Order: sequence, then C-alpha cells, then structure tokens
Amino acid sequence: DTGVSQDPRHKITKRGQNVTFRCDPISEHNRLYWYRQTLGQGPEFLTYFQNEAQLEKSRLLSDRFSAERPKGSFSTLEIQRTEQGDSAMYLCASSRDRESFGAGSRLTVL
Amino acid sequence: DAKTTQPTSMDCAEGRAANLPCNHSTISGNEYVYWYRQIHSQGPQYIIHGLKNNETNEMASLIITEDRKSSTLILPHATLRDTAVYYCIVSDAGGTSYGKLTFGQGTILTVHP
Repeated sequence: DTGVSQDPRHKITKRGQNVTFRCDPISEHNRLYWYRQTLGQGPEFLTYFQNEAQLEKSRLLSDRFSAERPKGSFSTLEIQRTEQGDSAMYLCASSRDRESFGAGSRLTVL
Repeated sequence: DAKTTQPTSMDCAEGRAANLPCNHSTISGNEYVYWYRQIHSQGPQYIIHGLKNNETNEMASLIITEDRKSSTLILPHATLRDTAVYYCIVSDAGGTSYGKLTFGQGTILTVHP
C-alpha cells in the first residue's frame, strides 16, 4: 500500500490558463473521488468514479472542470480558463471500503 | 446525507484522554459514523468508523450511543502530534451516495504540553 499520490503538489497559474492535476490511487481501489477544500473549510465533494465510469458530479463541478479516469486506474482533473475563485486544495481519495486521501494539489490562481 | 454537529474547538493536555463529541440525530439505519482528521497542509487521515457497536483500533476508540444519535471519539493518550481538525461524518459506505464523504467544519483539537 503505497498510498494515494497526487501531482503536482503545488501549482501557481495566471487567470485564464488551463491546469491539470493527476491522481494515482491505491492499487486495486475501484472507487476514486475528487474533493476541493478552501481555506478554513472542510473538503467538498466534486466527483466520483467507479472504475472508469464517472457516476456522480457535484454542482460545484462547473463546465470548466472535467475529470477522467481512463482504464480505471489514474485520474486527471482539468480546470480550463482558471479563475481566482478556483484557488483551493484539490484532494483525491480512493477506496475499496474506506477512503484514503492523497496529500492534495494546492492551486493558486493569480 | 445526514449532517453532524461538532464543537468548533477543544483543548486537551498532553497525555490525557481527548473526548470529541459528535451529534448525528438524523442518521439513517444504513449509515456509518466515520472519523477523519486533518493535520495542517495534509490530506484527511482515516481514524475509525462504526455502525452500531463500539470500536477500537490502534489510534482511537469510538463510542456510539444506543440510539445512534451521537458518538464520541476517544484518543486515550493525546500527544502534541494529535493536534488537528477532527471530522465526524456519516455515510452509507457505498450505497446510494457512493460512499462520498460530506465534511462539516470539524473540531479543532489543540493538545497542550
């Protein structure tokens, strides 16, 4: 069990640029989740994959956000035309029976 | 998802037991009680979970009331490294909510020397 890995850990970008985050879940975990956490708040659910199928998306996931999990292994979260309000920690978790979280990818939009 | 209510903050002396309460009066019969904690700048860390019975592991104990409307997380001998935000969450562990976790504000536990 090597844990959930997220990359990059930190990303600073200018408003309007696109960014992509990658999550490598724990091997054989078929469930994968993305959350967003802003300063002083608990994490908020964004989307859920079971294997390669995206089964649920939060209304927080605007059309500028897209997530994929090809082949049911790693996942990517892309944000297009970033806005300052997108600045947050983006957390990935994987699960077989309980969720294990990665360390997160912190996005700062200038 | 059922909601939980936790105190905003708590203090504890190092070496003493930390007892963190949580109310979840609208919990459904198929929902578990989960506890996670988050140390600054890290992802949430699983602590323990339970359905009806009390549970214990190497990190903590979970006491769930008989009516399941509240629970208490017990850290038996708190250390400075236990200073964190503790989240109490109810979830159906993969049922209609796909096991997703709905985090509240949590309890900021500060362990003092």
